[in-house]
Amino acid sequence: KNEVEQSPQNLTAQEGEFITINCSYSVGISALHWLQQHPGGGIVSLFMLSSGKKKHGRLIATINIQEKHSSLHITASHPRDSAVYICAVRSYSGGGADGLTFGKGTHLIIQP
Amino acid sequence: NAGVTQTPKFQVLKTGQSMTLQCAQDMNHEYMSWYRQDPGMGLRLIHYSVGAGITDQGEVPNGYNVSRSTTEDFPLRLLSAAPSQTSVYFCASSGGFGQYFGPGTRLTVT
Repeated sequence: KNEVEQSPQNLTAQEGEFITINCSYSVGISALHWLQQHPGGGIVSLFMLSSGKKKHGRLIATINIQEKHSSLHITASHPRDSAVYICAVRSYSGGGADGLTFGKGTHLIIQP
Repeated sequence: NAGVTQTPKFQVLKTGQSMTLQCAQDMNHEYMSWYRQDPGMGLRLIHYSVGAGITDQGEVPNGYNVSRSTTEDFPLRLLSAAPSQTSVYFCASSGGFGQYFGPGTRLTVT
């Protein structure tokens, strides 16, 4: 079973700061997802990536397949970015239809 | 498109009662999954389906049943509710552009 570790578990920052959330996993994957969960519970898919880098607005996701590591960056952070960010990996074997194994999430708070 | 819909949003059950959590998607996705989310733990897979008529167990299947008679619907049945099943339940479907989650069902078993 793939082990997914996220760091930090909790992060508090000031508005405008550059934010980095890290995700590492233990075995080879076919894809990695970054998800966002706001207070109130809804989960939104931010990125799905298997190599390189993707950008959407102020969010950037990178993955290094050789190092089994991904980062989620938020530029010019804003209080509305406050949420739990979850990394999930799709393994080549096991774990269900989509083989997803989830990290425990990073709780981000952006203070005005 | 409505995406992934779940009902109910909240439910309180007594130990031993049974109920069905409903999930539907209108994106014609083959893959659908049920997860539970508990404090301090990541999302855990309960059951999944790769298409109509095909289901399989995930990481924590005990106490739950599923069926997939159509592409759109994937209900989750609690056979005899237990306090350990108090959790938030998410249904999801997978397509080429990623995972799509329902809004969740907060279930309390007393």
